Formats: sequence, C-alpha cells, structure tokens
Amino acid sequence: EVQLLESGGGLVQPGGSLRLSCGASGFTFSSYAMSWVRQAPGKGLEWVSTISNSGGTTYADSVKGRFTISRDNSKNTLYLQVNSLRAEDTALYYCAKARGIAVTRWSFDYWGQGTLVTVSS
Amino acid sequence: QSVLTQPPSVSGAPGQRVTISCTGSSSNIGAGYDVHWYQQLPGTAPKLLIYENNNRPSGVPDRFSGSKSGTSGSLAITGLQAEDEADYYCQSYDSSLSGFWVFGGGTKLTVL
Repeated sequence: EVQLLESGGGLVQPGGSLRLSCGASGFTFSSYAMSWVRQAPGKGLEWVSTISNSGGTTYADSVKGRFTISRDNSKNTLYLQVNSLRAEDTALYYCAKARGIAVTRWSFDYWGQGTLVTVSS
Repeated sequence: QSVLTQPPSVSGAPGQRVTISCTGSSSNIGAGYDVHWYQQLPGTAPKLLIYENNNRPSGVPDRFSGSKSGTSGSLAITGLQAEDEADYYCQSYDSSLSGFWVFGGGTKLTVL
C-alpha cells in the first residue's frame, strides 16, 4: 500500500524558514517524480514544485527563488525547504506522487494528508 | 484566478446525473494536454478520480466518467449518491511561462 506522510509544518513568522518532509513507502520511490501541492485555508489546490526521478526540478512562479525541492532516495524521503515565508504561503502542504510516463501527461495518483504551514507574526 | 475555470458549485438529487466543466485555453487543454480530475471529501486529501481525460483508477466506480473536447474537459457523475458530496478539481499541463501543472478553482458538489 502506497503511503505518504508529511511533517515539518508549523507556525513561523514572516521571513522565516521551515523544512517540510514527506516519507514514502509502498512503491519504488526512486522511480517516480514527486510534487508538492498546497491548499490555502478554504481555497483550491495550487501546484508548488516537482522533482523528477532523475532530480530535475520545477517551481511555480509564486515560490521560485524561495523554495527548494529535493529528495533522498536512500531514505525514501521528499523535502521542501521553504524560505522567506510570506503570509500568502499559509497553507496545507501536500506531497503527491506523479503517475504517467510523459511529463505533460502527469497526474498525481497518491497524496499524503498534508502538513500545515502558518505564516503569522 | 485559476488557469482552468470551473463552476463554483453544482447540485443534484440522489440518482440524478451531474456534470462539471473545466475550461482552459490554447496553452493547456486546447494544446492537447490531458485533463485529470480529483475528488476531495471534507477534511481529507484529494483523490485521483479520472486520469488522462477518461480513465478511472482501480476502485473508482464507473458512475464517474470524463471527457475532453477542444479547450474544455468535463466530469460526469451518474446515479448521484450522498457520499459524492465533495469538492472536485480538474488539472492539466500548461505550456505557458507562468506554470506547468495547473488546477481549476474547484467545484463544490451538493447532493440535495
């Protein structure tokens, strides 16, 4: 059974940093692209970042230069380093596994339960 | 303002059929990229419902179906049940400079 478990969220002041983690099990982690998707309170889903199985990274414009996605295949763990946090970054951050072969056809077939990041003074 | 446009809400009585539209543009759905659909029950993580326009993952009832035409995708739910009450999101790939994987704003389905 595929399982994704996020951690690392919390309350942080504007300008602060956090490191989010996502532990994966039940599939060959190193073979799949992984993504972070966030959801602000009461709002819709927003794609944040993706890392391919070979380590290539992409970011939404809203987080480019502030967030860094990475993975440790030996630990089956996905990370998101979030820096220079703003109030508008307040959201539930989900990690999600990508499905599909072609990048342009990727959907997200498994999701964790999310970790909440709250940016407030 | 989401790249993909969905109606904020739809409703239907038990047993009825409802559809949810997802309208994009020439840089996403209209460019030939697939439409995927997710169901988010209250207080839970999204669940993949339809992938690559019209395919159901294992375990998803055949009451759920998807289609795509031109710059739009559509999710149909037949034989509506109370447990279908949820938020539904479409997703596609966008080739413009602003982003890669994009979501619709979500549609709240109410079962009357």
